[in-house]
Amino acid sequence: SYVVTQPPSVSVAPGQTASITCGGNNIGRKVAHWYQQKPGQAPVLVVFNDNDRPSGIPERFSGSNSGNTATLTISGVEAGDEADYYCQVWDSDSEHYVFGTGTTVTVL
Amino acid sequence: EVQLVDSGGGLVQPAGSLRLSCAGSGFVMNSDYMNWVRQAPGKGLQWVAQMYSGQTYYADAVKGRFTISRDDSKNTLYLQMNSLRPEDTAVYYCAKSRWGSGDAFDVWGQGTMVTVSS
Repeated sequence: SYVVTQPPSVSVAPGQTASITCGGNNIGRKVAHWYQQKPGQAPVLVVFNDNDRPSGIPERFSGSNSGNTATLTISGVEAGDEADYYCQVWDSDSEHYVFGTGTTVTVL
Repeated sequence: EVQLVDSGGGLVQPAGSLRLSCAGSGFVMNSDYMNWVRQAPGKGLQWVAQMYSGQTYYADAVKGRFTISRDDSKNTLYLQMNSLRPEDTAVYYCAKSRWGSGDAFDVWGQGTMVTVSS
């Protein structure tokens, strides 16, 4: 089955840029989505189709996907961005969705 | 406003059964791809099942034990869980896909906790 890996944690100072990676074999040939989850809450979609944002999501959130890595970038990080972030892809071979292992973003 | 409300969770013994419900409002559920996602305590997200029209897909870990279904008259999605195991303990979320197969989940329920324990 398709496996997607993320770094367990990323730390960033306020105002700086956080990059969260999502690694998978030829993930660039798939479409990646990203979710933010705060403690005790349901996930929230922040980026879909590699680099599109739902309405209401700040422009600070952006994405890219190429080769074996998809990336979520948060520019000008704020304290409220502290959360767990998950990537997601659809594996057409198995007809399964696959979530990444999740990354905890800590704002210093 | 599009909204999903999950219910039906609780404590169940191993090998037991439970049915979860997800009531939708603000949209017509039978026009959308609908999903169940779970999250074990302290762990990451795991996709469980998807339904669109008559087509269903299941994660390997639940195939043959769980059944996703829908009641269009109630605009409600269900997850029938049989032969439950301790490793099925998790918060279960229903989620709506944006458009079609492979698309992102743009609306989520609040989740309902399932605990499988003797």
